[in-house]
Amino acid sequence: SSELTQGPAVSVAVGQTVRITCQGDSLRAFYASWYQQKPGQAPVLVFYGKDNRPSGIPDRFSGSTSGNTASLTITGAQAEDEADYYCNSRDTSGDHLEVFGPGTKVTVL
Amino acid sequence: DVQLVQSGAEMKKPGDSLKIFCKGSGYTFANYWIAWVRQMPGRGLEWMGIVYPGDSGEFNTRYRPSFRGQVTISADKSTGAAYLQWSSLKASDTAMYYCARRGLGFGDLFLDYWGQGTLVTVSS
Repeated sequence: SSELTQGPAVSVAVGQTVRITCQGDSLRAFYASWYQQKPGQAPVLVFYGKDNRPSGIPDRFSGSTSGNTASLTITGAQAEDEADYYCNSRDTSGDHLEVFGPGTKVTVL
Repeated sequence: DVQLVQSGAEMKKPGDSLKIFCKGSGYTFANYWIAWVRQMPGRGLEWMGIVYPGDSGEFNTRYRPSFRGQVTISADKSTGAAYLQWSSLKASDTAMYYCARRGLGFGDLFLDYWGQGTLVTVSS
């Protein structure tokens, strides 16, 4: 299957650490990319590949993969990190195809 | 600076045709794949398909199966724009549509720049 699954929601206190997970068979062979989307805004790439953070993304965002699970960790969450987070990876059913996970709502308390 | 600028919001009736665009600037448009992503009201992101502007052949476009035959994705490197079009809109096509550039990575897939989105509303 090329589908990705994510938990629907998670909450974290300011300054604490939260991990968002994404599961799928394709993650055994391909890295995920992660996107942050705030209400009314376009998504923003926050992490991709084995260990890549785009310019301008705080280093409190990090990623990892183990088996069929990719994770995005926010270490020391800030109020501005409250958003929906989507994982994305290859869709192995076809060349150049991709698929998004359903998204995880992160609430910062 | 890299920018993707999309066409403005559209309000259409069921059965209408529509073509929206995504214009890239600040980079060599022909060298990067452009993806289209749908977001229905209150829902998550759905990857629709992708086009490579640098190749005008029949294999420069890919569609997720659920979108094949429902939309047409194209690009024109001479104008620096990618397009998403419908021949007959349905109410269920009401959504925000984003274009995004696929970055260049060593086997990694990621969408590094996004357009601002085009809201398409289909209602009788």
